Amino acid sequence: DIQMTQSPSSLSASVGDRVTITCRASQSIGSHLNWYQQKPGQAPNLLIFGASNLQSGVPPRFSGSGSGTDFTLTISPLQPEDFATYYCHQTYSAPLTFGQGTKVQI
Amino acid sequence: QVTLKESGPALVRPTQTLTLTCTFSGFSLATTAMRVTWVRQPPGKALEWLARIDWDDDKLYSASLKTRLNVSKETSKNQVVLTMTNMDPDDTATYYCARMVGLAGAIDYWSPGTLVTVSS
Repeated sequence: DIQMTQSPSSLSASVGDRVTITCRASQSIGSHLNWYQQKPGQAPNLLIFGASNLQSGVPPRFSGSGSGTDFTLTISPLQPEDFATYYCHQTYSAPLTFGQGTKVQI
Repeated sequence: QVTLKESGPALVRPTQTLTLTCTFSGFSLATTAMRVTWVRQPPGKALEWLARIDWDDDKLYSASLKTRLNVSKETSKNQVVLTMTNMDPDDTATYYCARMVGLAGAIDYWSPGTLVTVSS
């Protein structure tokens, strides 16, 4: 199974900051990596697909990069509505594993 | 407009079998490259991928739950059914069904989620 390791598990930031979240796969997954945002009590929301493609309707302050084993989600500038938990998800091979999440707090 | 909604019991006894039905609209599993997937989330914990069924009836399962899971589809009814046998209190979670599309396998539409509690 491919293990997905996110770092950090949580971070504190301020409005206007640049935030970077990292996701590392235990083996190469090409660009088969998607990022989701989840707010309390809500279903996750797709932000980035295929490692670097912005989902329709998602603000351009969100961006993704990487390929192979190392991936990054960047939020800049951080807005009040961005305080949430973020998950990476590999869809390269089954089982299709999620990272453990990164909580972005004020 | 794409929507998905899961239905099933809110409370299940230990050792029982859970059956969840995902009813969707706005797309068809008869369409090439369409997929429906199941994800769960224990209270306060991370997302866990469970299973996927494809337009061509191909199926994938979580490695750790493979022996307990089954996913099937009723294409004409726009429904996907997930069964999980031998339920345990550790299976208490919010269960989501969702649409998965494209080469990246992005999950672009999610159901609201249903909390299933396993307790005697």
